[in-house]
Amino acid sequence: AQRVTQPEKLLSVFKGAPVELKCNYSYSGSPELFWYVQYSRQRLQLLLRHISRESIKGFTADLNKGETSFHLKKPFAQEEDSAMYYCALSGPGTASKLTFGTGTRLQVTL
Amino acid sequence: GAGVSQSPSNKVTEKGKDVELRCDPISGHTALYWYRQSLGQGLEFLIYFQGNSAPDKSGLPSDRFSAERTGGSVSTLTIQRTQQEDSAVYLCASSLAVPNIQYFGAGTRLSVL
Repeated sequence: AQRVTQPEKLLSVFKGAPVELKCNYSYSGSPELFWYVQYSRQRLQLLLRHISRESIKGFTADLNKGETSFHLKKPFAQEEDSAMYYCALSGPGTASKLTFGTGTRLQVTL
Repeated sequence: GAGVSQSPSNKVTEKGKDVELRCDPISGHTALYWYRQSLGQGLEFLIYFQGNSAPDKSGLPSDRFSAERTGGSVSTLTIQRTQQEDSAVYLCASSLAVPNIQYFGAGTRLSVL
């Protein structure tokens, strides 16, 4: 069975501090991994996917197959990063359902 | 262009009534998904359509839940004899087959009294 675990419900950091949102997964095979973000009063939207290997809004995430992790990182948190972050996985290649973690609320304070 | 559109945005119903939730995907997206977001449960997959067929219905919680998609476009999620535990935000998403980047609607907040 596929599973995504986000151990922290809430992560509170100061502006300018580094951020790491943890995500571990369980999947038989090679999944696609995603981070989705939901800002206050906005719809859920894709932040980044591991295949793209890109940095979005200063965030990066590296897939570690040995540790089955896909942690989201940003070196310097900004107030506008405050949101709900969901890690998700799907089967490789073609369209298939997303399995989400329970989400981590990131709170960036001054 | 227009994103995924869901209606109604809010629905309040009485226990035992039937409800229909509508999703209008992004034009040209062949895949359509329904998820449920409830307190304490996170985001749960319900059903997935490829065109008008549903190859994966594994997330539907009971036979009170059904969904259809017509013309490869609009989808309707129907909940019969609603129960209080059905209260949640129901999200719809659509994607091209490849890549599997799912675009979400704003959701329908269902409250069963």
